[in-house]
Amino acid sequence: NAGVTQTPKFQVLKTGQSMTLQCAQDMNHNSMYWYRQDPGMGLRLIYYSASEGTTDKGEVPNGYNVSRLNKREFSLRLESAAPSQTSVYFCASTRMGSSGNTIYFGEGSWLTVV
Amino acid sequence: AQTVTQSQPEMSVQEAETVTLSCTYDTSESDYYLFWYKQPPSRQMILVIRQEAYKQQNATENRFSVNFQKAAKSFSLKISDSQLGDAAMYFCAYEGAQKLVFGQGTRLTINP
Repeated sequence: NAGVTQTPKFQVLKTGQSMTLQCAQDMNHNSMYWYRQDPGMGLRLIYYSASEGTTDKGEVPNGYNVSRLNKREFSLRLESAAPSQTSVYFCASTRMGSSGNTIYFGEGSWLTVV
Repeated sequence: AQTVTQSQPEMSVQEAETVTLSCTYDTSESDYYLFWYKQPPSRQMILVIRQEAYKQQNATENRFSVNFQKAAKSFSLKISDSQLGDAAMYFCAYEGAQKLVFGQGTRLTINP
C-alpha cells in the first residue's frame, strides 16, 4: 500500500457529527477513488475523480461530498453522519503505465457512527 | 454503466487442489483492464493478477491464472495447488476509461 495515505485509520462519530477523511498519493496519479466496504460485502464506489478538478458520483454517493484539492489529495466528507455510514472506507489511485494500469490502495479507515 | 458480477459468494477447496472463481462483467468499452484482488482479514487489498483486454493471452502469476473470454465478458481465476494462505475474500475488478468497479467478492476457504 505504499504511496496512498489515508487518515484517520479509526474514528468513532456520534450521529449528526461531521468529519472529513483525507487521502493523499505521492505517485502523480490522475485518477482517485473513494469506496466503502460493509461487513462481508464488496467495495462500493462512492465518488471518483478522473483528474484534478473533476469529481463524479459513483454507486452510493448520498450522504457524502468530495473535494479534489489538487492532483495529490482527494478528501471525503460526511456532513451529518448516520449509523448506516458505519463502514470501512478505502481510498485508491491508479496510473496508466507502459505495462498497464496499477491500482494502489490505502490501508482503510474504520468509521463507526453511534 | 459498467458492472462486475461474482456469482459465488463462497467457495471451498481441499488443500493442494484446484479451484476456479467466476467473474463476469458488462461494458461497452473495448479497452479496459481486469484484476483479481485478495483481501485477508486485515482488509489489505493485495493484487493477485491483472489482464489487459487487448491481450488475447491469459495472464498467469505462479499458481494463479485467468481464463479471459472477451466476447463472453468472462474473467475467471484459477488457483492451482491451493494453500492455506490462499484463504481470503477475492474480488474481481474492472477498470475502464475513468471508473474502477468491483464485484461483490467470493470468500474462499481452504480445507486442510
